[in-house]
Amino acid sequence: DSGVTQTPKHLITATGQRVTLRCSPRSGDLSVYWYQQSLDQGLQFLIQYYNGEERAKGNILERFSAQQFPDLHSELNLSSLELGDSALYFCASSARDRNTGELFFGEGSRLTVL
Amino acid sequence: QKEVEQDPGPLSVPEGAIVSLNCTYSNSAFQYFMWYRQYSRKGPELLMYTYSSGNKEDGRFTAQVDKSSKYISLFIRDSQPSDSATYLCAMISSTSGTYKYIFGTGTRLKVLA
Repeated sequence: DSGVTQTPKHLITATGQRVTLRCSPRSGDLSVYWYQQSLDQGLQFLIQYYNGEERAKGNILERFSAQQFPDLHSELNLSSLELGDSALYFCASSARDRNTGELFFGEGSRLTVL
Repeated sequence: QKEVEQDPGPLSVPEGAIVSLNCTYSNSAFQYFMWYRQYSRKGPELLMYTYSSGNKEDGRFTAQVDKSSKYISLFIRDSQPSDSATYLCAMISSTSGTYKYIFGTGTRLKVLA
């Protein structure tokens, strides 16, 4: 158990809808990362937050947004969903901002868009 | 061209075989190199971490980095069915204070009993 909690584990929704994925980092970790994993693209970095502030942005679509709250949990919002958004979404956490070490991953949220 | 290239496999080997998993990269700014293991329906977990060129050994696992060739490898000796998983290489670059953590697409390994 990595100590990172993600909810929901599975989500099925329709095109055009909006969903929110939630992540609670390991106790004491201030950095949260969001990744999207699909079969053909692998693990793609979306965005990183550190202590409530956005730190780095990857290949995150404009339809997607995220935030980190004062209690350090984070939410990833996906809107105007398309079939191609179906993927596993992982949250990871680390203690530091400029992380050169291990990322601790949750078990992921599997999103299916029909 | 992707910054990190990894053969997706799948790779099937008999129990006891030596397994070699590889990644190539194009960005010379990558300084830290890792291998993560991901079991089905689970998140990735760190397996090996290296900084410099050369070999690092941990039990049955050896990580090798060749910065001059931009090539990293993971060797698994005496492979076991419990090693069946997807192995992802990961690299970190530091440019102007921004740290970028990039993963390969992963290689699926199946060790047959």
